[in-house]
Amino acid sequence: NAGVMQNPRHLVRRRGQEARLRCSPMKGHSHVYWYRQLPEEGLKFMVYLQKENIIDESGMPKERFSAEFPKEGPSILRIQQVVRGDSAAYFCASSPRGTNEKLFFGSGTQLSVL
Amino acid sequence: GESVGLHLPTLSVQEGDNSIINCAYSNSASDYFIWYKQESGKGPQFIIDIRSNMDKRQGQRVTALLNKTVKHLSLQIAATQPGDSAVYFCADSLGMGFQKLVFGTGTRLLVSP
Repeated sequence: NAGVMQNPRHLVRRRGQEARLRCSPMKGHSHVYWYRQLPEEGLKFMVYLQKENIIDESGMPKERFSAEFPKEGPSILRIQQVVRGDSAAYFCASSPRGTNEKLFFGSGTQLSVL
Repeated sequence: GESVGLHLPTLSVQEGDNSIINCAYSNSASDYFIWYKQESGKGPQFIIDIRSNMDKRQGQRVTALLNKTVKHLSLQIAATQPGDSAVYFCADSLGMGFQKLVFGTGTRLLVSP
């Protein structure tokens, strides 16, 4: 049973470009969470999605950031017009139910903005 | 507001020693806590959880302690091994069913052979 799969592992973008981060949850999991981690800091909640629905996006910046979890395919975190401050590790987690019990995290995408 | 903080950023121990990692929280309504281990270049890995109706939860080599009076959590690791070297986070779920985990800053555990 494959775990949470994130790709790419490393993503380099120049300022102003778009970044697309993908997350495939564990099999049977329909709840996906995105977190951001700056160096030497804890993870910060960004957004919680179920299939085709955004449940809570209170941790996501209002501009340039968006997330989706379509009926088919992975969840996508999209960052438009990236800036250097967007450089961070972005982690996706999934769960079978809509609680935080035993969230299973992916290995993350390290975004570097030049 | 909610915050979960750690007392020590780095803890160095010898192999075989017991390790204790501490965490404080501020939200009196918090009732479910989780400890995660994060190795370099990897995502957080669930270690153990503890609910507010417990003061102790035992795992295989780990023990979670909760003192609600002073809003303090501890993670004890018995017979620490080099493979335990990682950053450890406590996280507060602000109540079962609440969707946002609030993570502490993390404690780096270094285990010397």
